[in-house]
Amino acid sequence: IAGITQAPTSQILAAGRRMTLRCTQDMRHNAMYWYRQDLGLGLRLIHYSNTAGTTGKGEVPDGYSVSRANTDDFPLTLASAVPSQTSVYFCASQKDGGANYGYTFGSGTRLTVV
Amino acid sequence: GENVEQHPSTLSVQEGDSAVIKCTYSDSASNYFPWYKQELGKRPQLIIDIRSNVGEKKDQRIAVTLNKTAKHFSLHITETQPEDSAVYFCAATSNDYKLSFGAGTTVTVRA
Repeated sequence: IAGITQAPTSQILAAGRRMTLRCTQDMRHNAMYWYRQDLGLGLRLIHYSNTAGTTGKGEVPDGYSVSRANTDDFPLTLASAVPSQTSVYFCASQKDGGANYGYTFGSGTRLTVV
Repeated sequence: GENVEQHPSTLSVQEGDSAVIKCTYSDSASNYFPWYKQELGKRPQLIIDIRSNVGEKKDQRIAVTLNKTAKHFSLHITETQPEDSAVYFCAATSNDYKLSFGAGTTVTVRA
């Protein structure tokens, strides 16, 4: 692993199903983020974690949950998927959530809820 | 929270000409302003950033300017090349260190 990895790359999901998007980084970055990208809306923050063991809500948290059991992993769970959650999801990490550094993004997960 | 507006949404330029993208932000406490480039089907990648104690920063053909009084910042690409075609996002972060992104600008460089 080099950098930040997301899985799966893409997924078609039936509405009402549960889905976990995986994100793993090997840079020992303290802060991690989940964004969704929708045409014309840019990147919107779903949830974040400043350090292992802590999480927080972003701009659009409803319908999503996260956990941060260790430094490397930050999974995003959709408990019961709805079509409006069709989007491209990007995980990102940052060296220190308490300072201003650029983010490193994963390659994204394209999710289609039907 | 921070609100970032980005203009234009699309920009078409002739190869060799300059491209300028402008962003405004709402929170006067914002102090970090990165720019990301996203090629089709790829992840966003940081291309340049500027902090509030600096008015301008250059890196080869790209430059960013910041006007704290007016709360706007701009990306300038000179001598554009086909590989500059991409979606560009501006962002700003305030005291909570969370990035708020603009909606993006699709830049097309015509050969």
